[in-house]
Amino acid sequence: EDKVVQSPLSLVVHEGDTVTLNCSYEVTNFRSLLWYKQEKKAPTFLFMLTSSGIEKKSGRLSSILDKKELFSILNITATQTGDSAVYLCAVLNSNSGYALNFGKGTSLLVTP
Amino acid sequence: GAGVSQTPSNKVTEKGKYVELRCDPISGHTALYWYRQSLGQGPEFLIYFQGTGAADDSGLPNDRFFAVRPEGSVSTLKIQRTERGDSAVYLCASSLAGGSSTDTQYFGPGTRLTVL
Repeated sequence: EDKVVQSPLSLVVHEGDTVTLNCSYEVTNFRSLLWYKQEKKAPTFLFMLTSSGIEKKSGRLSSILDKKELFSILNITATQTGDSAVYLCAVLNSNSGYALNFGKGTSLLVTP
Repeated sequence: GAGVSQTPSNKVTEKGKYVELRCDPISGHTALYWYRQSLGQGPEFLIYFQGTGAADDSGLPNDRFFAVRPEGSVSTLKIQRTERGDSAVYLCASSLAGGSSTDTQYFGPGTRLTVL
């Protein structure tokens, strides 16, 4: 059975800190890994990763995938209170090329 | 253009009642998905539509759950004889084509269903 595990489950940091969120997976016929940010209810898309070693970057957020060790990290530098949210990792496999398999998420709280 | 919209944003019902949840996808997106998210969990896949047809409904938990998309745009998730265990946030997503490793799913704000 496919599995997506995120760590830590929750994290509290001070504004300005750098954080690293982890996502490991066991998926047959891996296709892609996605990161979403969820504030209140709607998950908003951050990154899609399909190839190992290629960093995706957007402002203070970046992410990279390691297909050999089966994990991805999401980095947030110079955190701000607006970064407080649940960060969800999801994996897509070839068997079901559309049904995202999500982890439980990491709840990040950035304090002033 | 507008994102995915869902109505109502909140729905409170009594055990045994029937509910309908509506999803309006991004214009031009042929693929539509329903997920259910319980407290402290990630979203779980329920059903996937490609156009008007349900291409995969394997995530629907039982036959009390049904979804339609009659004109290939708006979709309605229907739950009969609701149970307290159905309480969750129901998320809808849409994507341009579906079934591709580069096809990104965009989510709506969800409907929080509470069954008393």
